[in-house]
Amino acid sequence: AQSVTQLDSHVSVSEGTPVLLRCNYSSSYSPSLFWYVQHPNKGLQLLLKYTSAATLVKGINGFEAEFKKSETSFHLTKPSAHMSDAAEYFCVVRGGGSQGNLIFGKGTKLSVKP
Amino acid sequence: DAGITQSPRHKVTETGTPVTLRCHQTENHRYMYWYRQDPGHGLRLIHYSYGVKDTDKGEVSDGYSVSRSKTEDFLLTLESATSSQTSVYFCAISEGQGPHEQYFGPGTRLTVT
Repeated sequence: AQSVTQLDSHVSVSEGTPVLLRCNYSSSYSPSLFWYVQHPNKGLQLLLKYTSAATLVKGINGFEAEFKKSETSFHLTKPSAHMSDAAEYFCVVRGGGSQGNLIFGKGTKLSVKP
Repeated sequence: DAGITQSPRHKVTETGTPVTLRCHQTENHRYMYWYRQDPGHGLRLIHYSYGVKDTDKGEVSDGYSVSRSKTEDFLLTLESATSSQTSVYFCAISEGQGPHEQYFGPGTRLTVT
């Protein structure tokens, strides 16, 4: 069965410093992995996705993630945090079988200090 | 933004009453999903649809039913609302499975008193 574990429930950084949000996955086959962002009282927006092409995936707003099969990780990074990055971030794996639904991690809340 | 709307956006209802939430898409996508979001749980799948009149259960389907009579509409019904169904409900659509991402609607905040 597919699953994801987000290793930090809350991350706090200062504006202009790097962001690292950690995610480990479990999958019995080559996974499709996603990062979504949710700003307060908003819906979910896709940041980026991995679909077995390049292992380094670039997304919107300067975010990127690297798929590491040996470490079963898919960490999200950004070189320099902006105040507008404050939000909740979800690491997601595509489920198997006929459902094809997304299986969500519990989320990491990112705070950005001025 | 993907053309997905949800109605109502906010609803307060009493325990024991039936409630129907609507998801409407203009993208002609085959797959539609209903999730609920609760603090500390991320999003969990309630039901999904893989075509008109083709639906199936998800992880947390007890107490919910769905219908899809047209490609563009996917209805979620709480047959007899309970306080444990207080949540934010999101609809999502997708062209397909595998690498296809899902696009989410704005959500419906439901409070059952």
